[in-house]
Amino acid sequence: DVQLQESGPGLVKPSQSLSLTCTVTGYSITSDYAWNWIRQFPGNKLEWMGYISYSGSTSYNPSLKSRISITRDTSKNQFFLQLNSVTTEDTATYYCARGGNYVGDWGQGTTLTVSS
Amino acid sequence: DIQMTQTTSSLSASLGDRVTISCSASQGISNYLNWYQQKPDGTVKLLIYYTSSLHSGVPSRFSGSGSGTDYSLTISNLEPEDIATYYCQQYSKLPWTFGGGTKLEIK
Repeated sequence: DVQLQESGPGLVKPSQSLSLTCTVTGYSITSDYAWNWIRQFPGNKLEWMGYISYSGSTSYNPSLKSRISITRDTSKNQFFLQLNSVTTEDTATYYCARGGNYVGDWGQGTTLTVSS
Repeated sequence: DIQMTQTTSSLSASLGDRVTISCSASQGISNYLNWYQQKPDGTVKLLIYYTSSLHSGVPSRFSGSGSGTDYSLTISNLEPEDIATYYCQQYSKLPWTFGGGTKLEIK
């Protein structure tokens, strides 16, 4: 079975960049599917941020387009989220997840706090 | 963006009850609608995709229906492990968007 595990710094200062890693086991990220980042704000609103496909193409939420980048390291079966110029409004739990039209597998989530 | 609205933010029901959770889209989404369950520990699972297709391993007491802009998730014979928050999500158009969630509690 596929497993996804997020990792990240936990705390980032305003105006800095956040970087998160999703480590995938049990399935190759180059085989199929889209590999997503989804976040959940305090208050529980969910926001799809973007994905990198098995072929390496990307799609981003236009609300983030100028700040977001999703990349991958196929040798380590990992994909990454970078979000630039963070503010306190980027405080959220960040999930990585596998799926195209529907997201069938989710990581456990990693909490990120933006604070000085 | 397509707005997804779950008008009921919380719902209380008894074990064994039949529960229906509703979701509406700001425009027609051609049945491109999924349902997810989030447990109190944050774990998220896909329940239903394409309006009414049951995801692998999901109990048959979960079902989905709807068309156009209005969709629903039904849980028949409510069990204790169904305590969770339920979210709808459209994939008719990018960006994919989620409803605000309906928290289900046991009376």
